[in-house]
Amino acid sequence: AQTVTQSQPEMSVQEAETVTLSCTYDTSENNYYLFWYKQPPSRQMILVIRQEAYKQQNATENRFSVNFQKAAKSFSLKISDSQLGDTAMYFCAFMKHGSSNTGKLIFGQGTTLQVKP
Amino acid sequence: NAGVTQTPKFRVLKTGQSMTLLCAQDMNHEYMYWYRQDPGMGLRLIHYSVGEGTTAKGEVPDGYNVSRLKKQNFLLGLESAAPSQTSVYFCASSYYPPTGGYIQYFGAGTRLSVL
Repeated sequence: AQTVTQSQPEMSVQEAETVTLSCTYDTSENNYYLFWYKQPPSRQMILVIRQEAYKQQNATENRFSVNFQKAAKSFSLKISDSQLGDTAMYFCAFMKHGSSNTGKLIFGQGTTLQVKP
Repeated sequence: NAGVTQTPKFRVLKTGQSMTLLCAQDMNHEYMYWYRQDPGMGLRLIHYSVGEGTTAKGEVPDGYNVSRLKKQNFLLGLESAAPSQTSVYFCASSYYPPTGGYIQYFGAGTRLSVL
């Protein structure tokens, strides 16, 4: 079975600075997908970024980028130039790849990020 | 474009009461899911459906039933609510993009309290 672990329950960062959120996972699969979702106080789940395990290049999306270390089973999220609107809970999630994939996501426990003015 | 709509947004039940949560999507997605979110535990999959008329159990299915009679709707039922079912419930639907892997779209959630 796959597991996803986020070891930082809470983090804070000053506006305009950079912060990195950690995520580790455990799987015996070779191909899979990894995601970061953002959940602001509105409760809406918003996809931030997605990484395909068979791609070595780290995904980027504007101010958001990931550091994907497949061998270490690590998938961290870097937020550059932090903005007040980045204040949210962030979830790391895992999805299997292949014919048995039904799109199910396995989530980590979440990290609450506070951006301070 | 409404996306994924959940009703109701809030509900308070007494132990033993029943209720149905409704999820509707207008994106013509085949796959739909129900998750629950509890503090410190992230989201956990309750049930899912890979198409109209099909359902399957997820990680925490006990105490819940689901139905997918129409492609656009996915219903989650609690037959006899228990305080342990106090949670925030999320519905999602997904599609398969050309680049592979499913992309899930979430509803705004339903906060349920069972007293």
